Amino acid sequence: GEDVEQSLFLSVREGDSSVINCTYTDSSSTYLYWYKQEPGAGLQLLTYIFSNMDMKQDQRLTVLLNKKDKHLSLRIADTQTGDSAIYFCAESISNFGNEKLTFGTGTRLTIIP
Amino acid sequence: DAGVTQSPTHLIKTRGQHVTLRCSPISGHKSVSWYQQVLGQGPQFIFQYYEKEERGRGNFPDRFSARQFPNYSSELNVNALLLGDSALYLCASSLASGSVEAFFGQGTRLTVV
Repeated sequence: GEDVEQSLFLSVREGDSSVINCTYTDSSSTYLYWYKQEPGAGLQLLTYIFSNMDMKQDQRLTVLLNKKDKHLSLRIADTQTGDSAIYFCAESISNFGNEKLTFGTGTRLTIIP
Repeated sequence: DAGVTQSPTHLIKTRGQHVTLRCSPISGHKSVSWYQQVLGQGPQFIFQYYEKEERGRGNFPDRFSARQFPNYSSELNVNALLLGDSALYLCASSLASGSVEAFFGQGTRLTVV
């Protein structure tokens, strides 16, 4: 079955690294995603990783995937106030790619000045 | 280039009424998906359309329906509205069925009273 879980809240000091974690249950996931949602806004695609990769780095963002433990993490280096938002991980399990995304409940990241 | 545009941005309806939400995908994108995001939760998949055909359906009642037009824009229709239908309705567009990246609009905030 499909189930994606995240912790609800994370507080980080400005300038520190933020690590947001996610676990999923469906081992047939093909792609795993991180989306950002600011208040009153839609979802912004941050990054994604193919399920046969372990790591992907994109500027301040690093995604780590442990397929054995079905664990995904997003590290944001040098966290800034503009990073305050809700972060959703999502999995795609369709053989055809991105037809259906299953989202977690989101992690609200708060930056402490 | 314009991103995904949704209309209206907000609306209020009464229980039992019908509502139509509209989405225009990014220019050149042929696939549109609809998601429902209830307050405090992650988005839930409702439908995916590609080339005017339904390619996927989530676990939603038959009161929910959608269609895609020749210009790839889409409508989501909900009949016999319930209080529980109050949510942010998000539209996502992707280049084609099987594309990895999906881009979301700002959403339509529906309140049912």
